[in-house]
Amino acid sequence: GAVVSQHPSWVICKSGTSVKIECRSLDFQATTMFWYRQFPKQSLMLMATSNEGSKATYEQGVEKDKFLINHASLTLSTLTVTSAHPEDSSFYICSARDRLWASVYEQYFGPGTRLTVT
Amino acid sequence: DQQVKQNSPSLSVQEGRISILNCDYTNSMFDYFLWYKKYPAEGPTFLISISSIKDKNEDGRFTVFLNKSAKHLSLHIVPSQPGDSAVYFCAASSYSGGGADGLTFGKGTHLIIQP
Repeated sequence: GAVVSQHPSWVICKSGTSVKIECRSLDFQATTMFWYRQFPKQSLMLMATSNEGSKATYEQGVEKDKFLINHASLTLSTLTVTSAHPEDSSFYICSARDRLWASVYEQYFGPGTRLTVT
Repeated sequence: DQQVKQNSPSLSVQEGRISILNCDYTNSMFDYFLWYKKYPAEGPTFLISISSIKDKNEDGRFTVFLNKSAKHLSLHIVPSQPGDSAVYFCAASSYSGGGADGLTFGKGTHLIIQP
């Protein structure tokens, strides 16, 4: 149980284009999902908290107009990187919290999406 | 300013011995701590957690110890197995009005189990 998927797992795009990354909880409902970013040999950094049916909450320093988050259902959140630039190249990982069973603190992570902007 | 610190980038342990991974934190608002295991190009896998009201939590070969006064926690793996080789992240969270916050991660410790 508690499986989170991400799609795509790997994407290359040209500078200036937009890319959408999907995060799905496959066997549980998630009222809250989180988006993280990891640069090579660095820690995972929280970008935003996504709550189903409401606007996402962004961490300080993360541009909300650049990283659009939509949490339209209890099993799906999407992150759209708009007008991507090479510095946006990173490993993007989502996580989800099981609203019924898990501790309010525990998060289950997706496998991540490697974004490369050329 | 890093709120969760893992000061050892790597740790090498012989198979069968105990692995001890350390983590320090600075934010006294953190009230829940988690350890994750991660392989390259994969998402973290949850290992074990501990609430700030406890000082120890055990699950099979994994034990987490919390010293609140020192703002220090450690993960013990015994006995260490080759499959334990991975990067281990310490993470912390706090509970705000709307629910538990997102996790704050340390930089990770690369554990290498040698045969």
